[in-house]
Amino acid sequence: GESVGLHLPTLSVQEGDNSIINCAYSNSASDYFIWYKQESGKGPQFIIDIRSNMDKRQGQRVTVLLNKTVKHLSLQIAATQPGDSAVYFCAEGANQAGTALIFGKGTTLSVSS
Amino acid sequence: EPEVTQTPSHQVTQMGQEVILRCVPISNHLYFYWYRQILGQKVEFLVSFYNNEISEKSEIFDDQFSVERPDGSNFTLKIRSTKLEDSAMYFCASGPRGHNEKLFFGSGTQLSVL
Repeated sequence: GESVGLHLPTLSVQEGDNSIINCAYSNSASDYFIWYKQESGKGPQFIIDIRSNMDKRQGQRVTVLLNKTVKHLSLQIAATQPGDSAVYFCAEGANQAGTALIFGKGTTLSVSS
Repeated sequence: EPEVTQTPSHQVTQMGQEVILRCVPISNHLYFYWYRQILGQKVEFLVSFYNNEISEKSEIFDDQFSVERPDGSNFTLKIRSTKLEDSAMYFCASGPRGHNEKLFFGSGTQLSVL
């Protein structure tokens, strides 16, 4: 879930800037976290995930940071491009078969040229 | 790349009517899910399904909802008597292991209840 104060519903950046999208989760038992990107009219697309035994994971132009102490997750996008414009959702999961991913509120990222 | 497919992409129905939303999960996946997203809101979990039975369901998934895997490839969500508030985008998802893994989502069915 999301906590008030950390979640920004919208984020506007210039092309080439770095973007940071934040998410707070509520369940201390969650041990798997994932970021999805959702473009208009489409289903969520996987970006990057991280397990609770890590605090940082890097992908192509994206980095996820996990702070279990404060139950905070962030997604960093380097050199943001117009094609990155979308709604970004974090989701959390527990280590139990069949347990669903629970999504937080999304952040709409708008990238201007 | 394998993908989850959903049909129809749009469904318009009258209040009180039954609808069936269809999904074909990725073929080697064992866990299947339905989520919904009301316009402008977050993606909400409805139900998970494994080994021909429901693994977990949310408060939203009441007696009006049911899921079925009628054959080896399809996974369906039925809403028995639709209400106005059932209008939403419904996403099917699948995963190979069922926990601590990314889920693959379909493009969704936009359900409009009039």
